[in-house]
Amino acid sequence: AQKITQTQPGMFVQEKEAVTLDCTYDTSDPSYGLFWYKQPSSGEMIFLIYQGSYDQQNATEGRYSLNFQKARKSANLVISASQLGDSAMYFCAMREGGNNDMRFGAGTRLTVKP
Amino acid sequence: DGGITQSPKYLFRKEGQNVTLSCEQNLNHDAMYWYRQDPGQGLRLIYYSQIVNDFQKGDIAEGYSVSREKKESFPLTVTSAQKNPTAFYLCASSMRAANQPQHFGDGTRLSIL
Repeated sequence: AQKITQTQPGMFVQEKEAVTLDCTYDTSDPSYGLFWYKQPSSGEMIFLIYQGSYDQQNATEGRYSLNFQKARKSANLVISASQLGDSAMYFCAMREGGNNDMRFGAGTRLTVKP
Repeated sequence: DGGITQSPKYLFRKEGQNVTLSCEQNLNHDAMYWYRQDPGQGLRLIYYSQIVNDFQKGDIAEGYSVSREKKESFPLTVTSAQKNPTAFYLCASSMRAANQPQHFGDGTRLSIL
């Protein structure tokens, strides 16, 4: 069963504006972690930000923040002040406490326009 | 510097041939993973290993094999039974906890001759 859903295959944003990339998840495990990765055209996967299921506050890392709505099972990534270098594929992933594997969504391709 | 090294960067396979993709890490991570990525798609889990001499099948293990004889190494063999092996293969490692991210290598692009 699909556990991570990213409904936006592609998104466009103007340089210097903020953008939100959507991610919903499904789990019955009370302990889990949510991750966002960036994949530039060169192919490497870059870890951006982490949110734990028991964290009371939304995670932030520089220009990245995570809008975590536990009851809705959503973990949207917000990128503020977009830069041309932010153009890439973005993947949401989940790791459940009882498992050691990680499941990825299908990804969202973000294009930043000058 | 600590990290994950995948080799080769590009690999070509002939019909009926087995090929092995290398993955080495010096991060002292217990868990290692192999993913397949097709163009424009997400990552699909092939195999993962939590400790030496132990590994589990992921969602698309058919046609692949792995070994974990050393903590640092987790090679993936793409066998001739894998009829559509052309893809981008990513290796990752992590500590064994739900709050730990996976760290990835730079990937291997496998093509059929």
